Amino acid sequence: DIQLTQSPSSLSASVGDRVTITCRASQTVSTYLNWYQQKPGEAPELLIHETSKLQSGGPSRFSGSGSGADFTLTISSLQPEDFATYYCQQSYSSPYTFGQGTRVEVK
Amino acid sequence: QLQESGPGLVKPSETLSLTCIVSGGSISGHSYHWSWIRQPPGKGLEWIGGVFHTGNTESNPSLGSRVTISVDSSKSHFSLDLRSVTVADTAVYYCTRRGILTGRFDPWGQGSLVIVSS
Repeated sequence: DIQLTQSPSSLSASVGDRVTITCRASQTVSTYLNWYQQKPGEAPELLIHETSKLQSGGPSRFSGSGSGADFTLTISSLQPEDFATYYCQQSYSSPYTFGQGTRVEVK
Repeated sequence: QLQESGPGLVKPSETLSLTCIVSGGSISGHSYHWSWIRQPPGKGLEWIGGVFHTGNTESNPSLGSRVTISVDSSKSHFSLDLRSVTVADTAVYYCTRRGILTGRFDPWGQGSLVIVSS
């Protein structure tokens, strides 16, 4: 199985901050790396697919980059509605695995 | 849209059964697998497995042979059976659609909390 390790596991930030979350895979996943946002009590929502493609309707302040085994999710200017948990997920090979999550909290 | 349904409480050693109703689109499309993902309380996400409209399935080896996923295209729903459950199977169970080419999971159902307890 491909292991995904996110860092940090949690972070505290203020509205307007630039936030970066990394996801490292135990082996290459090419560009088959997706990002999800999950708010408490809600289902995850697709945010970024295939490393850098913003899901339709997604805010442009979210961006993704990387390839191979190292990936980054960036929020250019954190908004109040962005406080949530973010998960990366690889779709390169079965079983499809997720990172452990990064919780973004109010500073 | 996807909507899960099923009992919220299951006894240990019994079978957890959930159904996901797909609306607003065809479950018979050639581009998607219909998947189940679970999330224990306060923990991360685990892919359980999925089914193609033909009935072909894929599943996470971590769950071994306890999992059966099936599809009923005529009724636009797919189902999950998880046998011999233990308290470790307590989780919110989500149904979702996986793109064949991209592998992304979208959209998701709202989730169904299943508690395993005697």
